[in-house]
Amino acid sequence: VQLQESGPGLVKSSETLSLTCTVSGGSISSYYWSWIRQPAGKGLEWIGRIYSTGNTNYSPSLESRVTMSVDTSKNRFSLKLTSVTAADTAVYYCARVYSNGWSYYFDYWGRGTLVTVSS
Amino acid sequence: EIVLTQSPGTLSLSPGERATLSCRASQSVYSSYLAWYQQNPGQAPRLLIYGASSRATGIPDRFSGSGSGTEFTLTISRLEPEDFAVYYCQQYASSVFTFGPGTKVEIK
Repeated sequence: VQLQESGPGLVKSSETLSLTCTVSGGSISSYYWSWIRQPAGKGLEWIGRIYSTGNTNYSPSLESRVTMSVDTSKNRFSLKLTSVTAADTAVYYCARVYSNGWSYYFDYWGRGTLVTVSS
Repeated sequence: EIVLTQSPGTLSLSPGERATLSCRASQSVYSSYLAWYQQNPGQAPRLLIYGASSRATGIPDRFSGSGSGTEFTLTISRLEPEDFAVYYCQQYASSVFTFGPGTKVEIK
């Protein structure tokens, strides 16, 4: 399974960040998929997850600004983050969530894409 | 939301030494919902341990995880040059994932 993030590397402050993660080597169906971000020199922050049927869960700290969607026909899922500020500048990763009811973890990751918010 | 704390922030060791990394949760975590990742500079995190103590596919047996409740440990029995990296713990509860702030293992 391979994941590839794509989208603009530069977004203006107050606008909407939009990214897409394309999954190859496996089906997007029957899994949860997540977005995770990492500001330069800092730790990992979970943004949210989406199931292949469209069910979502978001981080409480970002929930008001985040929307995720999935397109099973194209084996990809997307992230929208509204009203961005400089604090949203980060490397954004997409990842597959392995969940069998017993364990929940991220087993496959994309390489990440840097998104810079400019004023 | 469960908060994870990792200690120490930085661990300075020599190759061949044993590394012990701690992850503490603000509330009890199901062991099966606790994972560890390794991240090298410029790379995505890599899954090391899931279910608190199960090694992911291809992970050498010098890596081991243990713990329960609010206290979890990642142990690297003998550090190899490629093990000097940042390590994160991660938990899942109530449909929310959180990561610890990370422990950097650096060459002494």
